[in-house]
Amino acid sequence: DADVTQTPRNRITKTGKRIMLECSQTKGHDRMYWYRQDPGLGLRLIYYSFDVKDINKGEISDGYSVSRQAQAKFSLSLESAIPNQTALYFCATSVSGAGGELFFGEGSRLTVL
Amino acid sequence: KNQVEQSPQSLIILEGKNCTLQCNYTVSPFSNLRWYKQDTGRGPVSLTIMTFSENTKSNGRYTATLDADTKQSSLHITASQLSDSASYICVVPPLWYAGGTSYGKLTFGQGTILTVHP
Repeated sequence: DADVTQTPRNRITKTGKRIMLECSQTKGHDRMYWYRQDPGLGLRLIYYSFDVKDINKGEISDGYSVSRQAQAKFSLSLESAIPNQTALYFCATSVSGAGGELFFGEGSRLTVL
Repeated sequence: KNQVEQSPQSLIILEGKNCTLQCNYTVSPFSNLRWYKQDTGRGPVSLTIMTFSENTKSNGRYTATLDADTKQSSLHITASQLSDSASYICVVPPLWYAGGTSYGKLTFGQGTILTVHP
């Protein structure tokens, strides 16, 4: 089983619908992240959390919200999906400290029609 | 603004050939630079990390170099294999990040898409 698991892996939805992407990890890491990847733009940070009570906005948080339900679970919500939120979404984890490696999930491909 | 620029954007080579991918950064102060490999449809996986004091580091057929003076890093792949086909992403955090204050300031390059043909 993967250390960082994302569900669903693929989702097609319509404009205006509420969508939740879920992430769970078995690595025991405190830090969790949600990234968005678009062709030619690289990975961009949506939200990050250093522990259950610490949640921070990234560079592109507008239109998104998150919930850290437990150390191992970090969910991303799109309250009212729009077509330009069509992208590949990645959850990642890390340990604290300098130069820490990010461990990514397999990704969730979201299409908003 | 901290930036990470990778070149080329894409590269096609024949199996068995060597290739070199480039990463130029303006992130300052500098702490380290990490190369990730991302297979199609998968999440990125770390290949290697270069710290300020390191010039060269190898991981099997992958060799990374760092020139902190010119703010350039390269990833050299020797004797390419079909499985090397992937996107290679360069990531640089700022020095103050090294204190663990925030992962939110990682700067990602846009990646180089490598295709290895038989």
